[in-house]
Amino acid sequence: NAGVTQTPKFQVLKTGQSMTLQCAQDMNHNSMYWYRQDPGMGLRLIYYSASEGTTDKGEVPNGYNVSRLNKREFSLRLESAAPSQTSVYFCASSEQTSPLSETQYFGPGTRLLVL
Amino acid sequence: EDKVVQSPLSLVVHEGDTVTLNCSYEVTNFRSLLWYKQEKKAPTFLFMLTSSGIEKKSGRLSSILDKKELFSILNITATQTGDSAVYLCAAVYNTDKLIFGTGTRLQVFP
Repeated sequence: NAGVTQTPKFQVLKTGQSMTLQCAQDMNHNSMYWYRQDPGMGLRLIYYSASEGTTDKGEVPNGYNVSRLNKREFSLRLESAAPSQTSVYFCASSEQTSPLSETQYFGPGTRLLVL
Repeated sequence: EDKVVQSPLSLVVHEGDTVTLNCSYEVTNFRSLLWYKQEKKAPTFLFMLTSSGIEKKSGRLSSILDKKELFSILNITATQTGDSAVYLCAAVYNTDKLIFGTGTRLQVFP
Protein backbone atom coordinates (compact mmCIF):
# COMPACT_ATOMS: atom_id res chain seq x y z
CA ASN A 1 0.00 0.00 0.00
CA ALA A 2 1.37 3.38 -0.99
CA GLY A 3 -1.17 5.14 1.26
CA VAL A 4 -1.82 8.71 0.17
CA THR A 5 0.29 10.03 -2.70
CA GLN A 6 0.54 13.57 -3.98
CA THR A 7 2.01 15.10 -7.10
CA PRO A 8 3.94 17.21 -7.69
CA LYS A 9 6.23 17.45 -4.67
CA PHE A 10 7.25 20.98 -5.49
CA GLN A 11 5.98 23.62 -7.91
CA VAL A 12 6.82 27.21 -8.75
CA LEU A 13 4.12 29.30 -10.45
CA LYS A 14 3.86 32.86 -11.64
CA THR A 15 0.94 34.97 -10.47
CA GLY A 16 -2.09 34.24 -12.64
CA GLN A 17 -1.00 30.77 -13.75
CA SER A 18 -3.19 27.79 -13.10
CA MET A 19 -2.35 24.32 -11.91
CA THR A 20 -3.86 21.18 -10.48
CA LEU A 21 -2.53 19.29 -7.48
CA GLN A 22 -3.19 15.59 -7.65
CA CYS A 23 -3.95 13.25 -4.77
CA ALA A 24 -4.67 9.54 -4.76
CA GLN A 25 -5.22 6.97 -2.01
CA ASP A 26 -5.20 3.20 -2.26
CA MET A 27 -6.82 2.43 1.09
CA ASN A 28 -10.40 2.39 -0.23
CA HIS A 29 -11.21 5.35 2.01
CA ASN A 30 -14.44 7.21 1.59
CA SER A 31 -13.44 10.69 2.72
CA MET A 32 -10.67 12.86 1.32
CA TYR A 33 -9.41 16.31 2.30
CA TRP A 34 -7.20 19.15 1.15
CA TYR A 35 -5.32 21.29 3.69
CA ARG A 36 -2.85 24.08 3.49
CA GLN A 37 -0.18 24.68 6.12
CA ASP A 38 1.39 28.07 6.65
CA PRO A 39 3.90 29.13 9.31
CA GLY A 40 2.14 30.16 12.49
CA MET A 41 -1.27 29.18 11.09
CA GLY A 42 -1.39 25.44 11.54
CA LEU A 43 -3.29 23.23 9.13
CA ARG A 44 -6.40 24.76 7.57
CA LEU A 45 -9.01 22.79 5.70
CA ILE A 46 -9.64 23.98 2.13
CA TYR A 47 -12.17 21.44 0.83
CA TYR A 48 -13.23 17.95 1.65
CA SER A 49 -15.17 15.14 0.05
CA ALA A 50 -17.18 12.84 2.26
CA SER A 51 -17.78 10.36 -0.55
CA GLU A 52 -17.37 9.95 -4.27
CA GLY A 53 -19.38 12.61 -6.05
CA THR A 54 -19.64 15.06 -3.16
CA THR A 55 -17.46 17.99 -2.14
CA ASP A 56 -17.81 20.64 0.55
CA LYS A 57 -16.02 23.82 1.51
CA GLY A 58 -13.74 23.93 4.48
CA GLU A 59 -12.29 26.87 6.34
CA VAL A 60 -10.41 28.57 3.45
CA PRO A 61 -11.95 27.59 0.08
CA ASN A 62 -11.59 30.89 -1.78
CA GLY A 63 -9.36 30.69 -4.84
CA TYR A 64 -9.59 26.89 -5.09
CA ASN A 65 -11.74 24.27 -6.77
CA VAL A 66 -11.76 20.54 -6.25
CA SER A 67 -12.84 17.43 -8.12
CA ARG A 68 -13.48 14.03 -6.65
CA LEU A 69 -12.74 12.14 -9.82
CA ASN A 70 -13.48 8.73 -8.34
CA LYS A 71 -13.11 7.07 -4.98
CA ARG A 72 -9.31 7.07 -5.20
CA GLU A 73 -8.57 10.56 -6.52
CA PHE A 74 -9.22 14.07 -5.25
CA SER A 75 -7.64 16.99 -7.09
CA LEU A 76 -7.21 20.61 -6.07
CA ARG A 77 -7.14 23.33 -8.73
CA LEU A 78 -5.83 26.86 -8.55
CA GLU A 79 -7.37 28.73 -11.48
CA SER A 80 -5.35 31.92 -11.09
CA ALA A 81 -2.55 31.56 -8.58
CA ALA A 82 -1.75 34.39 -6.18
CA PRO A 83 1.30 34.88 -3.93
CA SER A 84 -1.02 34.38 -0.91
CA GLN A 85 -1.44 30.79 -2.05
CA THR A 86 2.23 30.05 -1.44
CA SER A 87 2.00 27.24 1.07
CA VAL A 88 2.46 23.55 1.69
CA TYR A 89 -0.59 21.58 0.62
CA PHE A 90 -1.53 18.29 2.22
CA CYS A 91 -4.05 15.77 1.03
CA ALA A 92 -5.55 13.34 3.54
CA SER A 93 -8.06 10.53 3.61
CA SER A 94 -10.15 8.71 6.19
CA GLU A 95 -12.21 5.58 6.11
CA GLN A 96 -15.50 6.76 7.52
CA THR A 97 -18.18 8.56 5.56
CA SER A 98 -18.86 10.74 8.60
CA PRO A 99 -16.22 13.30 7.74
CA LEU A 100 -13.58 14.70 9.99
CA SER A 101 -14.34 12.48 12.94
CA GLU A 102 -11.91 9.71 12.25
CA THR A 103 -8.22 9.15 11.89
CA GLN A 104 -6.88 10.88 8.82
CA TYR A 105 -3.90 9.65 6.84
CA PHE A 106 -1.84 12.37 5.24
CA GLY A 107 0.12 12.49 2.02
CA PRO A 108 3.70 13.82 1.90
CA GLY A 109 2.66 17.32 0.83
CA THR A 110 3.17 19.63 -2.14
CA ARG A 111 5.26 22.73 -1.63
CA LEU A 112 3.90 25.54 -3.82
CA LEU A 113 5.63 28.85 -4.42
CA VAL A 114 3.76 31.58 -6.28
CA LEU A 115 5.92 34.45 -7.50
CA GLU B 1 -15.09 32.33 17.12
CA ASP B 2 -14.09 28.68 17.16
CA LYS B 3 -10.46 28.17 18.03
CA VAL B 4 -7.83 25.74 19.24
CA VAL B 5 -4.83 27.07 21.16
CA GLN B 6 -1.70 25.07 21.87
CA SER B 7 0.99 25.84 24.38
CA PRO B 8 3.83 26.20 24.63
CA LEU B 9 4.67 27.21 21.08
CA SER B 10 8.11 25.74 21.45
CA LEU B 11 9.89 23.51 23.94
CA VAL B 12 13.53 22.47 24.23
CA VAL B 13 14.44 19.59 26.53
CA HIS B 14 17.16 17.00 27.09
CA GLU B 15 16.75 13.31 26.51
CA GLY B 16 15.09 11.62 29.45
CA ASP B 17 12.97 14.61 30.41
CA THR B 18 9.18 14.41 30.65
CA VAL B 19 7.14 16.97 28.75
CA THR B 20 3.51 18.04 28.83
CA LEU B 21 1.91 19.69 25.82
CA ASN B 22 -1.34 21.58 26.19
CA CYS B 23 -4.30 22.03 23.88
CA SER B 24 -7.34 24.11 24.76
CA TYR B 25 -10.38 24.50 22.57
CA GLU B 26 -13.45 26.65 22.21
CA VAL B 27 -15.78 25.18 19.64
CA THR B 28 -19.50 24.62 19.34
CA ASN B 29 -20.84 21.07 19.59
CA PHE B 30 -17.50 19.48 20.33
CA ARG B 31 -17.14 15.89 19.15
CA SER B 32 -13.56 14.75 19.53
CA LEU B 33 -9.97 15.87 19.86
CA LEU B 34 -7.13 14.56 17.74
CA TRP B 35 -3.37 14.61 18.31
CA TYR B 36 -0.88 14.34 15.45
CA LYS B 37 2.91 14.26 15.26
CA GLN B 38 4.51 16.06 12.34
CA GLU B 39 8.16 15.49 11.61
CA LYS B 40 9.53 16.65 8.32
CA LYS B 41 6.53 15.94 6.19
CA ALA B 42 3.04 14.61 6.73
CA PRO B 43 1.31 14.57 10.11
CA THR B 44 0.85 11.11 11.57
CA PHE B 45 -2.03 10.22 13.85
CA LEU B 46 -1.39 9.71 17.56
CA PHE B 47 -4.67 9.75 19.48
CA MET B 48 -8.35 10.47 19.19
CA LEU B 49 -10.12 11.45 22.41
CA THR B 50 -13.85 11.65 22.83
CA SER B 51 -14.48 10.92 26.51
CA SER B 52 -13.39 12.97 29.48
CA GLY B 53 -10.93 11.51 31.96
CA ILE B 54 -9.98 8.39 30.03
CA GLU B 55 -6.27 8.25 29.37
CA LYS B 56 -5.03 6.88 26.10
CA LYS B 57 -1.52 5.47 26.01
CA SER B 58 0.91 4.42 23.34
CA GLY B 59 4.33 3.56 24.67
CA ARG B 60 5.82 6.64 26.27
CA LEU B 61 3.02 8.88 25.00
CA SER B 62 -0.26 9.41 26.75
CA SER B 63 -3.12 11.83 26.42
CA ILE B 64 -6.23 12.80 28.31
CA LEU B 65 -9.21 15.03 27.65
CA ASP B 66 -11.09 17.29 30.07
CA LYS B 67 -14.41 18.26 28.49
CA LYS B 68 -15.43 20.38 31.45
CA GLU B 69 -12.36 22.60 31.31
CA LEU B 70 -12.08 22.25 27.50
CA PHE B 71 -8.52 21.07 27.21
CA SER B 72 -6.33 18.11 26.50
CA ILE B 73 -2.75 17.30 27.38
CA LEU B 74 -0.19 15.13 25.67
CA ASN B 75 2.51 13.68 27.91
CA ILE B 76 5.78 12.23 26.69
CA THR B 77 7.94 10.51 29.28
CA ALA B 78 11.65 9.67 28.97
CA THR B 79 11.92 11.77 25.82
CA GLN B 80 14.23 10.71 23.01
CA THR B 81 15.71 12.66 20.12
CA GLY B 82 13.25 10.87 17.84
CA ASP B 83 10.41 12.65 19.64
CA SER B 84 11.56 15.94 18.12
CA ALA B 85 8.67 17.13 15.99
CA VAL B 86 5.74 19.52 15.83
CA TYR B 87 2.76 18.18 17.76
CA LEU B 88 -0.63 19.24 16.46
CA CYS B 89 -4.01 18.99 18.08
CA ALA B 90 -7.33 19.42 16.32
CA ALA B 91 -10.91 19.70 17.50
CA VAL B 92 -13.73 18.05 15.59
CA TYR B 93 -17.02 19.89 16.10
CA ASN B 94 -20.53 20.33 14.72
CA THR B 95 -21.21 17.61 12.19
CA ASP B 96 -18.36 18.25 9.85
CA LYS B 97 -15.93 20.83 11.09
CA LEU B 98 -12.32 20.44 12.12
CA ILE B 99 -9.88 23.06 13.30
CA PHE B 100 -6.19 22.62 14.04
CA GLY B 101 -4.04 24.46 16.53
CA THR B 102 -0.77 25.99 15.38
CA GLY B 103 1.27 23.27 17.01
CA THR B 104 4.00 22.89 19.63
CA ARG B 105 7.53 22.44 18.34
CA LEU B 106 9.44 20.03 20.56
CA GLN B 107 13.21 19.71 20.31
CA VAL B 108 14.93 16.98 22.28
CA PHE B 109 18.70 17.21 22.60
CA PRO B 110 21.01 14.37 23.63
